[in-house]
Amino acid sequence: DQQVKQNSPSLSVQEGRISILNCDYTNSMFDYFLWYKKYPAEGPTFLISISSIKDKNEDGRFTVFLNKSAKHLSLHIVPSQPGDSAVYFCAAFPSGTYKYIFGTGTRLKVLA
Amino acid sequence: NAGVTQTPKFQVLKTGQSMTLQCAQDMNHNSMYWYRQDPGMGLRLIYYSASEGTTDKGEVPNGYNVSRLNKREFSLRLESAAPSQTSVYFCASSDGGGDGYTFGSGTRLTVV
Repeated sequence: DQQVKQNSPSLSVQEGRISILNCDYTNSMFDYFLWYKKYPAEGPTFLISISSIKDKNEDGRFTVFLNKSAKHLSLHIVPSQPGDSAVYFCAAFPSGTYKYIFGTGTRLKVLA
Repeated sequence: NAGVTQTPKFQVLKTGQSMTLQCAQDMNHNSMYWYRQDPGMGLRLIYYSASEGTTDKGEVPNGYNVSRLNKREFSLRLESAAPSQTSVYFCASSDGGGDGYTFGSGTRLTVV
C-alpha cells in the first residue's frame, strides 16, 4: 500500500510560469515532509522541507504547502526555469524514525 | 568533495552471481540507508543503519544483506542475483537533521 502518492507522473510548464507538484499521504503519523529533486544519472538532492507544525515554508522560488486535514502537500516553483526540469520526489516520515517513505515521483519539464 | 560515494557505478550480473555494492560517507553521519529506484515505484528502502553496529530491514529486504563496517561504510550484498533485482541502487546518509538525506550518485545494476 502506497503511503505517499504522487498521482501525476509528469507535468509540462512554460518557462516563467508556476509549477505545482502535488503529493498525498495516508499515514497520520507522518510529521515531517521533504521534497527532493533528481536529475538523470545523479542521486536525489534535498530541496525543501516542512514540519507538521507549519502550513507553509518558503525558500527562494520554492514554496511547500501542507494541508494536514487533507493529508496533502504541494510544491510551488515560481517562476519556473528550464533548469528546474527534473524528477521531483516527495517524502515523509514519523518523528524519531528518519526512515523516509518516498512517493513515485513527478517528472517536470519546463519549456523554454 | 564531501559526500556519499558509491561503487561501482554500473554492473551487469548473471542470474545467481553475487556481488557487493559499496558505500562510504565522509560527513560523520550516524545513519545510512540503501534504497532502490524502479520505474513507477519511486524509491524504496531496502535496509538502513541508524548507527554504527545496528542494521534493520526496510520495505524490500528480501534477497539482500548489509554490513555496517564502521561509521563511514555501509555495504549491500546480493548473494544470488535475480532479474527482479535489476534496478538503480542509492545509498544515503543522514545526521537526523532537517536537511534530510545526502544521496550518492547511484549504482545501475542489470541482472541477466
